[in-house]
Amino acid sequence: AQTVTQSQPEMSVQEAETVTLSCTYDTSESDYYLFWYKQPPSRQMILVIRQEAYKQQNATENRFSVNFQKAAKSFSLKISDSQLGDAAMYFCAYRSNWETSGSRLTFGEGTQLTVNP
Amino acid sequence: DAGVTQSPTHLIKTRGQHVTLRCSPISGHKSVSWYQQVLGQGPQFIFQYYEKEERGRGNFPDRFSARQFPNYSSELNVNALLLGDSALYLCASSSGLISSYEQYFGPGTRLTVT
Repeated sequence: AQTVTQSQPEMSVQEAETVTLSCTYDTSESDYYLFWYKQPPSRQMILVIRQEAYKQQNATENRFSVNFQKAAKSFSLKISDSQLGDAAMYFCAYRSNWETSGSRLTFGEGTQLTVNP
Repeated sequence: DAGVTQSPTHLIKTRGQHVTLRCSPISGHKSVSWYQQVLGQGPQFIFQYYEKEERGRGNFPDRFSARQFPNYSSELNVNALLLGDSALYLCASSSGLISSYEQYFGPGTRLTVT
């Protein structure tokens, strides 16, 4: 079974600064997807960024980028130029690419990000 | 276009009762997944349905059941409620079964068991 670990229960950053959230995972599979989701107080889970394991290039979405280290099974999220609206719970998630696994996601415990003005 | 919708928003039940939660996927999406998110934890996978058939089940007791209707909406049923069933229940829809299809989450149903 796959596991996802987020070792930082809470992080804080000053507005306009950069912050990095950590995530490690354990799997015996070679083909999978990794995600970062954001969950604000409204509870809606919003996809921030996704990485396909077979792609060596790190994914980037505007101010959000990842550092994907497949051998180390590490998947960190970097938020640049942090904004007040970035404050939320962030979840790292894993999804197998085996058809029999469907599209179930395995989530980490989350990191609560606070953005200070 | 409407996103994933869930009803009710909040629900309070007593131990031993039964509850039904509902989810309507994005139009055109045929797959619905259910997750349980206990306060302070990450979501845990409960079920996935695709084309009205169960295609995945997480590590949950038989008190949990679900079904998907011809219009692809879904119900999650929980019998003999326990205090530990208090959680946010999230529904997610995707257009297909395989993992290349993106999942979109609804706002969740907050269930409180007293």
